[in-house]
Amino acid sequence: RKEVEQDPGPFNVPEGATVAFNCTYSNSASQSFFWYRQDCRKEPKLLMSVYSSGNEDGRFTAQLNRASQYISLLIRDSKLSDSATYLCVVKWVPRGSTLGRLYFGRGTQLTVWP
Amino acid sequence: DVKVTQSSRYLVKRTGEKVFLECVQDMDHENMFWYRQDPGLGLRLIYFSYDVKMKEKGDIPEGYSVSREKKERFSLILESASTNQTSMYLCASATLGTGVRNEQFFGPGTRLTVL
Repeated sequence: RKEVEQDPGPFNVPEGATVAFNCTYSNSASQSFFWYRQDCRKEPKLLMSVYSSGNEDGRFTAQLNRASQYISLLIRDSKLSDSATYLCVVKWVPRGSTLGRLYFGRGTQLTVWP
Repeated sequence: DVKVTQSSRYLVKRTGEKVFLECVQDMDHENMFWYRQDPGLGLRLIYFSYDVKMKEKGDIPEGYSVSREKKERFSLILESASTNQTSMYLCASATLGTGVRNEQFFGPGTRLTVL
């Protein structure tokens, strides 16, 4: 079982739509949670961190449910420029190591059409 | 502006060749990482380094080695390239610490094709 699971999509939505992505993770000792964005043929970049109380950044809202080991990302009022792959990322300390590292989901592809 | 650079954007090599992929960061980060990214498999960690001359295996280290002689530079070595190592290789760096953020900054990637 992969450490971080995401629905790969693709999600195809019209401009202005609201779209939600979900993610589950396997390690209950996970420390930190993130969403990264990766544009076509580009490198991943941090979109936002996810905090226990949930957090919002403009049109983007991230939620974390530690009990269910579940993370979500909601995008409101979708723009054409939101088209990208969204990577769910979780940080924990692997067995045998003293340092945390990131575990990436396979990504959810979003296409916003005019 | 933070920057991670990789020596090549595209590389074509033959089976059995020794291949060097170089990564340099200018942010004085302690941690550096090498990933490969394949369709349907996502990002997989090959090796990482948390200090000069230190390294740890990631999830798929077989067929690879690394070198970190200077803080800013992290090299990935394919000792004898094989066709199943055709992939996009991404380098990343991050600060050391326990902060929630610990953002990883990625280089633009090297698309390696092994014939």
